[in-house]
Amino acid sequence: NAGVTQTPKFQVLKTGQSMTLQCAQDMNHNSMYWYRQDPGMGLRLIYYSASEGTTDKGEVPNGYNVSRLNKREFSLRLESAAPSQTSVYFCASRPSLDGGIQYFGAGTRLSVL
Amino acid sequence: GQSLEQPSEVTAVEGAIVQINCTYQTSGFYGLSWYQQHDGGAPTFLSYNALDGLEETGRFSSFLSRSDSYGYLLLQELQMKDSASYFCAVRDPGSARQLTFGSGTQLTVLP
Repeated sequence: NAGVTQTPKFQVLKTGQSMTLQCAQDMNHNSMYWYRQDPGMGLRLIYYSASEGTTDKGEVPNGYNVSRLNKREFSLRLESAAPSQTSVYFCASRPSLDGGIQYFGAGTRLSVL
Repeated sequence: GQSLEQPSEVTAVEGAIVQINCTYQTSGFYGLSWYQQHDGGAPTFLSYNALDGLEETGRFSSFLSRSDSYGYLLLQELQMKDSASYFCAVRDPGSARQLTFGSGTQLTVLP
């Protein structure tokens, strides 16, 4: 019973490099989300996908792109990494029934030098 | 937009009761959630209030007053393992029902 799986767990990039963070869920959820969390702050929404084939910007989308590859997978891409993107990134998914609950992956700790 | 305020830190002793408050300002309100996050871990869901009143789940309870735009999380019989950050979050009325999180309250439980 994997839930939400994120890869990689850790990553170090140089400024200007690109990379894709992967996320997959096995709970048959329609909605998926990408957040970033900086020290001393709550989670801020980067992008979300209400259902397969749709994506929308959240609070802090600049410098990121997303792909909802299928119902299971939702990836986050940094085209040209910047030091300001050093953060912990969490992917989450939400069941269809209401209840304010989201299930989170273990996170990706990204450092951009 | 949405904004939430909660205390940055709370300290209590093992066995005590602690209350973590959350006030919010939102353009639309559909419910208040609470999440727990241990250092280095992922947020995990604790509780959700859509209506006024108290919701109880074991040692944890959550309260909501929509007229006051206020809620709290109550932790009873504190244990050392309860040391963590606690986040309140409001649910957006949009189609994806995305959450907006507060900055979190760091709870330290002392022996």
